[in-house]
Amino acid sequence: DTEVTQTPKHLVMGMTNKKSLKCEQHMGHRAMYWYKQKAKKPPELMFVYSYEKLSINESVPSRFSPECPNSSLLNLHLHALQPEDSALYLCASSRPPGQGQETQYFGPGTRLLVL
Amino acid sequence: KQEVTQIPAALSVPEGENLVLNCSFTDSAIYNLQWFRQDPGKGLTSLLLIQSSQREQTSGRLNASLDKSSGRSTLYIAASQPGDSATYLCAVGFGDSNYQLIWGAGTKLIIKP
Repeated sequence: DTEVTQTPKHLVMGMTNKKSLKCEQHMGHRAMYWYKQKAKKPPELMFVYSYEKLSINESVPSRFSPECPNSSLLNLHLHALQPEDSALYLCASSRPPGQGQETQYFGPGTRLLVL
Repeated sequence: KQEVTQIPAALSVPEGENLVLNCSFTDSAIYNLQWFRQDPGKGLTSLLLIQSSQREQTSGRLNASLDKSSGRSTLYIAASQPGDSATYLCAVGFGDSNYQLIWGAGTKLIIKP
């Protein structure tokens, strides 16, 4: 099973709402990633978790708060977002670097619209 | 700073043609290089991963090559089909303790029936 699942598929939220994006994988991967992708642009890395510890935070505003409750789950908590945060949010997982194959497997994404 | 460039930005060819997509990077100290495919509004699908010690990888009609010394990779698609239409992204795996992918902007490929 090489599937990464993400919920919800679509999300519309106001600027004062609090919502969470969820990501799950059962491939035994110990590295998980959040990316943000705007239309016609490549993905931008937001956060990396390695062995359930935050290893990279790409200077993301604090209105985005990641959480890795266990090795299979990754959450992204959203609060007080701005309209410019509207984008496709992608989750990915991989073996940590140094274990041979670091192919990243992506979920289908959550399409977020902030009004 | 590692930069990844993909040329061309868009490509339209008739069905059945063989084609080459190009990717170049500025720093040869890479961990690996991956090619992905993205259909409109969808997530990314990994096509091929080439480790820094490898020269090429093949999967079906796809062949990816890597020349670290010149900072280049190519993705060769044989006998193109309309279903190959998508955006193809190249990403360089960079850094050890802070390993991450550095992305090219992608090549939008249209295969005309």
